[in-house]
Amino acid sequence: AQTVTQSQPEMSVQEAETVTLSCTYDTSESDYYLFWYKQPPSRQMILVIRQEAYKQQNATENRFSVNFQKAAKSFSLKISDSQLGDAAMYFCATMKQGAQKLVFGQGTRLTINP
Amino acid sequence: DGGITQSPKYLFRKEGQNVTLSCEQNLNHDAMYWYRQDPGQGLRLIYYSQIVNDFQKGDIAEGYSVSREKKESFPLTVTSAQKNPTAFYLCASSLTPGLAVFFGPGTRLTVT
Repeated sequence: AQTVTQSQPEMSVQEAETVTLSCTYDTSESDYYLFWYKQPPSRQMILVIRQEAYKQQNATENRFSVNFQKAAKSFSLKISDSQLGDAAMYFCATMKQGAQKLVFGQGTRLTINP
Repeated sequence: DGGITQSPKYLFRKEGQNVTLSCEQNLNHDAMYWYRQDPGQGLRLIYYSQIVNDFQKGDIAEGYSVSREKKESFPLTVTSAQKNPTAFYLCASSLTPGLAVFFGPGTRLTVT
């Protein structure tokens, strides 16, 4: 079974600075996908970034990037130049190839201090 | 606009009543999902469907039922057999497994 662990229930960062959210996972699969989702106060789940496990290159989406360490089963999210609109719950998730189920971590609440 | 709609946003029911949550998508996605979110927790899969007239149980299917008569629609019924139905329910869809899963705005169900 796949599991996802987010060890930081809460994080805070000053506006315009950089913050890294941690995520570790456990899987016996060789082919899988990793995701970061953002859930703002509206509670809409928004896809932030997606990584295919077979790709060594770290995914990047504008100010968001990941540090994917496959051997360590680590998938951290880096947010650069933090903005007030980045304040949200962030969920790390994984899905094995061919499966239909996203397995989520418990989430990290990110606060941006002006 | 393409997307996933869920209605209503807030729903209140008395204990013992069945209630159906609506989910519609116009993204032409094959796969649709229902997730449940409890306070301070991640999402847990209730049911999923890969194609019309086919659906599979997720991790917490007990007390729930679904149908998939149309590609665009995947309603979820919360039955009186569900012991703790009060939660936030999220519908989602994806084009194919492994690709991005997109979520609707959610329905907050309160049962008293």
